[in-house]
Amino acid sequence: GDSVTQMEGPVTLSEEAFLTINCTYTATGYPSLFWYVQYPGEGLQLLLKATKADDKGSNKGFEATYRKETTSFHLEKGSVQVSDSAVYFCALSDRNAGGTSYGKLTFGQGTILTVHP
Amino acid sequence: NAGVTQTPKFQVLKTGQSMTLQCAQDMNHNSMYWYRQDPGMGLRLIYYSASEGTTDKGEVPNGYNVSRLNKREFSLRLESAAPSQTSVYFCASSATGRSNEQFFGPGTRLTVL
Repeated sequence: GDSVTQMEGPVTLSEEAFLTINCTYTATGYPSLFWYVQYPGEGLQLLLKATKADDKGSNKGFEATYRKETTSFHLEKGSVQVSDSAVYFCALSDRNAGGTSYGKLTFGQGTILTVHP
Repeated sequence: NAGVTQTPKFQVLKTGQSMTLQCAQDMNHNSMYWYRQDPGMGLRLIYYSASEGTTDKGEVPNGYNVSRLNKREFSLRLESAAPSQTSVYFCASSATGRSNEQFFGPGTRLTVL
């Protein structure tokens, strides 16, 4: 079955540091890949997505590139801020060859990011 | 647009009690989902509804039932709550399509004593 593995956390950084959160996946079809962010006490929000190999998703200074050869979708940001402190989830939605989604997301376990001033 | 709304926000139950978690979306989405979030385990799918009138089991359906009341509303029922069901529950919805982006509600924090 489908699965998503995120790097072990939590991650603690100083403001303006470089961030990488690793994500690898296994899927039987042609998945779309997502990063969601959850701020304290809130639901999940879509941060970025990529729907096919070599696509780069980007938003709010965060980037991730869909790497089919390494089955990875690592999240990066060049300079983190205190306001980036949150839990980050990598997820996939598998699709058949025709592009039709199976309709379900599979999530990684989440990575807690804390950024200190 | 309110997006996805959930009620209640917090609930404490005793073992064996029943309750229904309510979810509604105003985005005219076809698909709706219920997840539970537990520490270190990410989100796990309980049930989903691909369209009005259909429901299917997810990864962890035992102890739960769902009703897709209409296109807007999707409820989750615990018939006899157990301490193992202590969790944060999220409802989500998505349009039918290739990217399957899901929109999440704010969650319900449930404690079963």
